[in-house]
Amino acid sequence: SQTIHQWPATLVQPVGSPLSLECTVEGTSNPNLYWYRQAAGRGLQLLFYSVGIGQISSEVPQNLSASRPQDRQFILSSKKLLLSDSSFYLCAWSEGSHSGNTIYFGEGSWLTVV
Amino acid sequence: GQNIDQPTEMTATEGAIVQINCTYQTSGFNGLFWYQQHAGEAPTFLSYNVLDGLEEKGRFSSFLSRSKGYSYLLLKELQMKDSASYLCAVREGTGRRALTFGSGTRLQVQP
Repeated sequence: SQTIHQWPATLVQPVGSPLSLECTVEGTSNPNLYWYRQAAGRGLQLLFYSVGIGQISSEVPQNLSASRPQDRQFILSSKKLLLSDSSFYLCAWSEGSHSGNTIYFGEGSWLTVV
Repeated sequence: GQNIDQPTEMTATEGAIVQINCTYQTSGFNGLFWYQQHAGEAPTFLSYNVLDGLEEKGRFSSFLSRSKGYSYLLLKELQMKDSASYLCAVREGTGRRALTFGSGTRLQVQP
C-alpha cells in the first residue's frame, strides 16, 4: 500500500530564517506531488505541484520554493521566512497515470514564525 | 478560475441526518471530491463524483449535478466523532491534476 510521510511535524522558526519541509511517498512510482497551505480556519491553498522529477509548477508567487530531487521526494523551502508564512503545510500525492485520481495528504507540518 | 461555496458552520444532533451543500463555478470540470478534516489533522478522502447522481459509501453519500454546479454530502446516523470540517474540492479540466478547495464547513454534532 502507498504511504506518505512529511516532516518535521511542528517547528518554530524566527523571522528571516530558512525553511525546509520534506515529504516522501512510498509504494508508488511517478506520483503527482503537491504542497498545500492552510491558514487557521481557512481553506487549502495550492502552493506547488509536480508531475515528475525537476518539474515544478508554482500557483502563488511568494517567498517559497519547491524542489523534487527524486521521484518520490518533494521539498518545500524558503530562504527567509516571513511572519505571514505561519501556517499548516500539507504535502499530498496522487497516482500519476490519470488526471482524475484522488489526492491523499500527509500528516501536515505546523510552522510558526516568530 | 474556480469559485467554490459552502456554508461556514452547521450544527446537528447525534443520530440525525445532515446535508452539507457545495456550489461551484468552473470553466471546466473533472470531478468533485469531499474530504473530512478533524481539528489539527490532515484532510482524509471521503468521496468522489465525476458523473451526475448519488454515490453511497456507508453512512456517507455524495451527490453531484454538473448542470447546476452543485454537490452535497449527506451524513446519516450522526455520531459525535463526525464533528469535523468537511471540505468540498473541484478538479478543473482534463489535464490539471491539482484540486481547488472550498473553505470548508465546520460541523458540530451535539448530544
